[in-house]
Amino acid sequence: SQQGEEDPQALSIQEGENATMNCSYKTSINNLQWYRQNSGRGLVHLILIRSNEREKHSGRLRVTLDTSKKSSSLLITASRAADTASYFCATVQTGANNLFFGTGTRLTVIP
Amino acid sequence: DAGITQSPRHKVTETGTPVTLRCHQTENHRYMYWYRQDPGHGLRLIHYSYGVKDTDKGEVSDGYSVSRSKTEDFLLTLESATSSQTSVYFCAISESGGPGPGEQFFGPGTRLTVL
Repeated sequence: SQQGEEDPQALSIQEGENATMNCSYKTSINNLQWYRQNSGRGLVHLILIRSNEREKHSGRLRVTLDTSKKSSSLLITASRAADTASYFCATVQTGANNLFFGTGTRLTVIP
Repeated sequence: DAGITQSPRHKVTETGTPVTLRCHQTENHRYMYWYRQDPGHGLRLIHYSYGVKDTDKGEVSDGYSVSRSKTEDFLLTLESATSSQTSVYFCAISESGGPGPGEQFFGPGTRLTVL
C-alpha cells in the first residue's frame, strides 16, 4: 500500500489565488518530497523536507511538515496558469532506499 | 534537465512476448528506480537499484526483472508481457539524501501497450 495520501484529489482555483495541498503518511520517515507532473511528462522535484525540519520555502512554494501528525502541506502562493499540473508527495521511510508516492492532487489554475 | 533517457519511448507488443526497457543516465547517480504509473494508482515502485548489481524489489515486482551491470544503465524486463502490464513506465535516478535517497530525477517515460 502507498505511504502518502494527498488531499484533495482535485483542486480548481483562479489565477492569483493560493493553493494548498495536504499529504498524510503512516510511518516514521527520513524525508518527505513534493513533485509536480505536467500532463504526459515525467515528474519534476519541487522540494525536500527532512524529518527534523518543520518548514521550507522555495520561491512561491512553502512546505510544512508535522511529524507528530504524520502530515505535510504544500502551499503555492499567487498561482499561475502554468502551475496547472498534478502534485505528488513522496516519503522515504526510516531505513529505506526508496520513495513511496501518493496518488496526487490535480491542480487546475483558471486564467 | 538531468541526463536521463529512456528507450523506447513507445512500444506496442503482444501478450506473451518478452520486452526490455532501458534507462540510461549520465549523472553517475547511485540509485536508479523503475516505476509504473496507472490512473488511480499514482506511481508504484517496481524495482530499484542502490549500486551496480545491487537491486531490490518494490511494491509491484511480480512479472518484472531488472539488471544493472554498470552505473549508467538499468534495464527492466517483462519476461512474458500481459495486458495488465500496459502502463507508462518511468525511470528515476537519485543520490543520497543523507540518510536515504534524496530528490529523484525522472526520465520522460515509456508508454507500453500489451495487446
